[in-house]
Amino acid sequence: AQSVTQPDIHITVSEGASLELRCNYSYGATPYLFWYVQSPGQGLQLLLKYFSGDTLVQGIKGFEAEFKRSQSSFNLRKPSVHWSDAAEYFCAVGANDMRFGAGTRLTVKP
Amino acid sequence: GAVVSQHPSRVICKSGTSVKIECRSLDFQATTMFWYRQFPKQSLMLMATSNEGSKATYEQGVEKDKFLINHASLTLSTLTVTSAHPEDSSFYICSAKAATEAFFGQGTRLTVV
Repeated sequence: AQSVTQPDIHITVSEGASLELRCNYSYGATPYLFWYVQSPGQGLQLLLKYFSGDTLVQGIKGFEAEFKRSQSSFNLRKPSVHWSDAAEYFCAVGANDMRFGAGTRLTVKP
Repeated sequence: GAVVSQHPSRVICKSGTSVKIECRSLDFQATTMFWYRQFPKQSLMLMATSNEGSKATYEQGVEKDKFLINHASLTLSTLTVTSAHPEDSSFYICSAKAATEAFFGQGTRLTVV
């Protein structure tokens, strides 16, 4: 069965600092992997996705993620965080029905 | 990207009544739509997969008689929460699949009083 683990419930970083959000997945075949961001009371916005090919994926808002099959990971990174990046981030896996991780809440300190 | 519209965005209903939530794909046709439920500060839990013209597939533990799903056209799926109770209060989100990507609605905040 497919599943996603986001080990960090809450992360706080200073504005301008780099960010890495962890995501590990369990999937029987080549996974379709996604990162979404959710602001309070809002729906989901897709940041980036991986289906195949280049394992380093570029997304919107300066985010990128790297697919590492050997580690079953798809960590999200950003070199310099902005205050507007504060939100809830979800990693998801699946080709049809998607399974979401528990989410990581990002707080950005001034 | 493709747009999915979910309506209403917020609804308050009395205990025992039913509430219908609509999910529309505005600029594409979606043979498959998905319904999720999200409790405060928690992740999205898949409730059911809605297939146009056929019965929905419910996840284990989801009461199909309570959460009625209808996918009557390629652009519309509805979720009806029947005989709502306060414990049904939650954030409900739909998504519609276009090719290899799912697009999400803005969600519906249901409060049952």
